[in-house]
Amino acid sequence: GQQLNQSPQSMFIQEGEDVSMNCTSSSIFNTWLWYKQDPGEGPVLLIALYKAGELTSNGRLTAQFGITRKDSFLNISASIPSDVGIYFCAGRMNTGNQFYFGTGTSLTVIP
Amino acid sequence: GAGVSQSPSNKVTEKGKDVELRCDPISGHTALYWYRQRLGQGLEFLIYFQGNSAPDKSGLPSDRFSAERTGESVSTLTIQRTQQEDSAVYLCASSLGRSTGELFFGEGSRLTVL
Repeated sequence: GQQLNQSPQSMFIQEGEDVSMNCTSSSIFNTWLWYKQDPGEGPVLLIALYKAGELTSNGRLTAQFGITRKDSFLNISASIPSDVGIYFCAGRMNTGNQFYFGTGTSLTVIP
Repeated sequence: GAGVSQSPSNKVTEKGKDVELRCDPISGHTALYWYRQRLGQGLEFLIYFQGNSAPDKSGLPSDRFSAERTGESVSTLTIQRTQQEDSAVYLCASSLGRSTGELFFGEGSRLTVL
């Protein structure tokens, strides 16, 4: 099946630092989503992207839909302890119903 | 309710038994997804329902897995003759429709097969 490569796999950063993570696919997607998952809970939607080149912000989070339509990026500025969790990208092709999920980026913020 | 509701939150069963997991989507959401998440891993698509259309079952791993949904309401995921490799968190998500693309997840049902 479709593989989404998400990197980095894990990150350990100091509070206040900025964070960048990305996701690449072998196929063209028409929708990219970014989720955060805390332990024992379901993923929570952070940002949804629908157009190549689109740049969307949600507070300190900014995500971009890559112009090739095969990648997406998530940036978190001025990290705080509550940013800790696992971040997943997800994408969907023009045909088909499922969203393919990346393997996740585990973020640890050191106070 | 305001969000996607799943039950049970935790289920421990013996190998070979059948289990049924329930998902109550957000009211008005016509699309419903089931995903499986093994420990420390990403989400694997299982099945998709959209309104009264035939479900997309392309992600079901074996014929021991089945799911039903009546109209745009509750869905149940059934696993027959459970195996230890079925141990995982089963997540349900709903969305307004395929075109919107935004999935809202429940908290999941954690299944442990002994």
